[in-house]
Amino acid sequence: RKEVEQDPGPFNVPEGATVAFNCTYSNSASQSFFWYRQDCRKEPKLLMSVYSSGNEDGRFTAQLNRASQYISLLIRDSKLSDSATYLCVVNNNTGNQFYFGTGTSLTVIP
Amino acid sequence: DAGVTQSPTHLIKTRGQQVTLRCSPISGHKSVSWYQQVLGQGPQFIFQYYEKEERGRGNFPDRFSARQFPNYSSELNVNALLLGDSALYLCASSLNSGGEKLFFGSGTQLSVL
Repeated sequence: RKEVEQDPGPFNVPEGATVAFNCTYSNSASQSFFWYRQDCRKEPKLLMSVYSSGNEDGRFTAQLNRASQYISLLIRDSKLSDSATYLCVVNNNTGNQFYFGTGTSLTVIP
Repeated sequence: DAGVTQSPTHLIKTRGQQVTLRCSPISGHKSVSWYQQVLGQGPQFIFQYYEKEERGRGNFPDRFSARQFPNYSSELNVNALLLGDSALYLCASSLNSGGEKLFFGSGTQLSVL
């Protein structure tokens, strides 16, 4: 079983739409959770950390469900500039290794 | 402040050759991690170094080695290159080693012919 699993998509949505990505992880001892964004042929960039209480940053909302071991990312009012691959990231129980999902591809259409 | 810098940006090698990739972390960051990203996949963990000591190693063969210098910069070495080593090699720095957020360099694109 993979450490982190994501639906690869692709997700093609119109501008202004709301889109949600989910991710599951296998190590119940994981302590740190993140969403990264990666544009084509570029490095991953931190989008937001994910906390148990849930957190919001503008149009982006992240949720963590430890009992079910899944993480979600909600993007409201999608913009063309949101088109990218979104990577779910979880650390191991010692904290020194991060596991990345394969990424979910999002294209926002005019 | 400068972000994570990696060199070279692109590299072409042939099978059997050896390669050294370099990384300078963000100023003040003491931990450097290396990841391999094959097209269509997420980054795969290779090594983490903190205060010049190896703190973690992923599932990669012994042909892969790394080190961290007193100024916290790092090198990744790959010996006896195989076609399958062709990938984007990413360096990430973090303040410490305990699961903190990673900041990535722009990577080195390695092509093995």
